[in-house]
Amino acid sequence: DGGITQSPKYLFRKEGQNVTLSCEQNLNHDAMYWYRQDPGQGLRLIYYSQIVNDFQKGDIAEGYSVSREKKESFPLTVTSAQKNPTAFYLCASSIAPSGVPYEQYFGPGTRLTVT
Amino acid sequence: AQSVTQPDIHITVSEGASLELRCNYSYGATPYLFWYVQSPGQGLQLLLKYFSGDTLVQGIKGFEAEFKRSQSSFNLRKPSVHWSDAAEYFCAVINDYKLSFGAGTTVTVRA
Repeated sequence: DGGITQSPKYLFRKEGQNVTLSCEQNLNHDAMYWYRQDPGQGLRLIYYSQIVNDFQKGDIAEGYSVSREKKESFPLTVTSAQKNPTAFYLCASSIAPSGVPYEQYFGPGTRLTVT
Repeated sequence: AQSVTQPDIHITVSEGASLELRCNYSYGATPYLFWYVQSPGQGLQLLLKYFSGDTLVQGIKGFEAEFKRSQSSFNLRKPSVHWSDAAEYFCAVINDYKLSFGAGTTVTVRA
């Protein structure tokens, strides 16, 4: 089955540690995205990548980093510089934009708790 | 940049009753609009989308949405709600190839 995999589902870390969240897709999509979800705030875009070896900051990129070395993988690192990292993180992918609209498909999410 | 607003934070509806969730979008060129649903602790599932053409859009799970340019709205409806429809619903608009989401509406279904 084609889809998006995020692992792990739950992640616990101590404050001051970096942590990397995994996102893999087998939909052959060019574009991938990371969102953060907090209660009552909807989803906010952290980073996105429209093609391998290229990515752009979203609305709340501070304290996060990404890489896009392979088409199917877009890992997100939450660094110790992120002031409030506890949240639900969602990865998504879509056909690369080419002047026409498209929909994004989402993974099941990773809940990160930092204490 | 275009944005969407969902005026209702929480709606409670009886099983079998009709449901309407409101979404308003900001002024701009033809908006590309979406409705997603999220069950607790899960990812988002696309219910339907509007790109152009017919203003009444049919989606999955018996949902439909109507695009009204005169009211800048894209409201989601379902004629008869099932207990499994209890979830959070998000309206979204494309902004320069990125999705911008509303804050979401939580739907509770009572027996």
